Amino acid sequence: DQQVKQNSPSLSVQEGRISILNCDYTNSMFDYFLWYKKYPAEGPTFLISISSIKDKNEDGRFTVFLNKSAKHLSLHIVPSQPGDSAVYFCAASANQGGKLIFGQGTELSVKP
Amino acid sequence: DAGVIQSPRHEVTEMGQEVTLRCKPISGHDYLFWYRQTMMRGLELLIYFNNNVPIDDSGMPEDRFSAKMPNASFSTLKIQPSEPRDSAVYFCASSLYPDSPKETQYFGPGTRLLVL
Repeated sequence: DQQVKQNSPSLSVQEGRISILNCDYTNSMFDYFLWYKKYPAEGPTFLISISSIKDKNEDGRFTVFLNKSAKHLSLHIVPSQPGDSAVYFCAASANQGGKLIFGQGTELSVKP
Repeated sequence: DAGVIQSPRHEVTEMGQEVTLRCKPISGHDYLFWYRQTMMRGLELLIYFNNNVPIDDSGMPEDRFSAKMPNASFSTLKIQPSEPRDSAVYFCASSLYPDSPKETQYFGPGTRLLVL
């Protein structure tokens, strides 16, 4: 049973526009959420995170929004750049000693 | 630091053969994780260790899979016998908990396994 779901396997966006990647979760015990970015032939790398006590966290062009009532989070990239083309994984933690539950990933393609 | 090191990077084997994947975590990290990436299920956690002790192996698909961590700088994931459905990319990750940002894991480059 997938506790973390990314329902869009792919997303295509024009350079300079906003990219919005979505993630839904089912476990109400999750208290920390992360986004990882993965390029081909490389391992995922940490991008941005948010605690459940917040509803927004911003880092440069990247902003994560958390809606606890809807059990939904999203990653906004503004403006999108071709170098942002990668697979983005959403992950969640229930304070289990570092254990993360990942979604299936969304492949973002930013076209020049 | 060289980051998390995994070997081999690619492995092609025949069904029924034993496969051993290796991982060297970042020095000083006390958590080590093994993941499998597939198109259908994304990144699945197979097992993780804390201070070399297995904490949660509920993600290990079946008895054909086993993992060990004999010391703080080395871990293996073994599949015996291997089957074509085991074909995937296997990632090792390590972390220092608590860390800043909290629970950030550092991934190796992965081992791409193909079982024919």
